[in-house]
Amino acid sequence: QVTLRESGPALMEPTQTLTLTCTFSGFSLTTGGMCVSWIRQPPGKALEWLGRIDWDDAKYYNTSLKTRLTISKDTSKNQVVLTMTNVDPDDTATYFCARLLVVPGDGAYYNYYMDAWGKGATVTV
Amino acid sequence: EFVLTQSPGTLSLSPGDTATLSCRASQSITKNYSAWYQQKYGQAPRLLIYATSTRATGIPDRFSGSGSGPDFTLTISRLEPEDFAVYYCQQYGNSLTFGQGTKLEIK
Repeated sequence: QVTLRESGPALMEPTQTLTLTCTFSGFSLTTGGMCVSWIRQPPGKALEWLGRIDWDDAKYYNTSLKTRLTISKDTSKNQVVLTMTNVDPDDTATYFCARLLVVPGDGAYYNYYMDAWGKGATVTV
Repeated sequence: EFVLTQSPGTLSLSPGDTATLSCRASQSITKNYSAWYQQKYGQAPRLLIYATSTRATGIPDRFSGSGSGPDFTLTISRLEPEDFAVYYCQQYGNSLTFGQGTKLEIK
């Protein structure tokens, strides 16, 4: 059974650096095709993808937030960490981590989908 | 910028009806795949459909996905009370992207 759980501060002050940890079980982030994504959702709004880290330590970020985000992993602890610098009230949201599967599809194309999600961590700035 | 536009924004139907939710990509990427998620209030999203038309584990066959770039569709037949929720499509253009969601509400 795959599980993920987000943890971190519930309340932040503007300009601080947010650090959220995703602790997961039921899979290994060293297995090909396994990734962990971070997604956030401001109150009453849509989902916004923040970034991901792959089994081979490749990292990809939302281009609009790229300068503020860092994602890292500790495979020995089954954890993925998201840091976001210089937070402001617009960063108030529920932050989710999810297992992202990258599966070869037709030809050179890949399927990307998130089949397991944490319950989310609410962060207020 | 790769954008997914979902329509309608809100869909009002009754139990037993069929819901048709649309997702249009701003760029047509040959053989791009879509995924669909269901989110109920206060909960994390749940994967319904991946690879455009494959149901995730445990998803009833009332849910079906179809389409190809740029237009994708989620169809929910014989609506049950527990189906009323918000639905998001997701694709990978130049990065992973979600649509803005369709709220399926009880009429």
